[in-house]
Amino acid sequence: QKEVEQNSGPLSVPEGAIASLNCTYSDRGSQSFFWYRQYSGKSPELIMFIYSNGDKEDGRFTAQLNKASQYVSLLIRDSQPSDSATYLCAVNNFGNEKLTFGTGTRLTIIP
Amino acid sequence: DTGVSQNPRHKITKRGQNVTFRCDPISEHNRLYWYRQTLGQGPEFLTYFQNEAQLEKSRLLSDRFSAERPKGSFSTLEIQRTEQGDSAMYLCASSLGSVNQPQHFGDGTRLSIL
Repeated sequence: QKEVEQNSGPLSVPEGAIASLNCTYSDRGSQSFFWYRQYSGKSPELIMFIYSNGDKEDGRFTAQLNKASQYVSLLIRDSQPSDSATYLCAVNNFGNEKLTFGTGTRLTIIP
Repeated sequence: DTGVSQNPRHKITKRGQNVTFRCDPISEHNRLYWYRQTLGQGPEFLTYFQNEAQLEKSRLLSDRFSAERPKGSFSTLEIQRTEQGDSAMYLCASSLGSVNQPQHFGDGTRLSIL
């Protein structure tokens, strides 16, 4: 079992709709959870981070964390063509500074 | 805040040659990380520094790889005797010194081994 799992996609969403990206992790000691956006050929760009169970909203983005289910998700409201990218989920453990990434979900917003 | 800077952006070299990459972190960040990313995969952790101290190294970091951060500012990653499998994007990230702070990535150095 991979430490961090994401559906590789592609996930196609109509413009203006809600895109839902999911991530599961295997280590119950995971403490911090990050979502990065990566355009083709570019480096990862931090979108959101969440530490506590529940929802965290920032503009059109909402991160959701459920530690009991070992599940973290990212919702993108009012999807725009510029949101088309690969979204990487990353986790780390308290006291362990490395990030463990999933393989990413490729999201395509259809105009 | 000028962001994390990496040089060169691209490096093409022949198998067996040595290469060195440089990373300049965000100025107030005392933690610096190196990752490697291949096509279709997420970044994989290589090593990290807090100030000038190298605190963790991945088993991915074979003895051909060495990283330094001599004055706690910029860092270098050297690969000796490059192999085809070293072809990848090498990413540097930095963060503040508090626990579990977000890491911010540079644009990366893309290494191609001929």
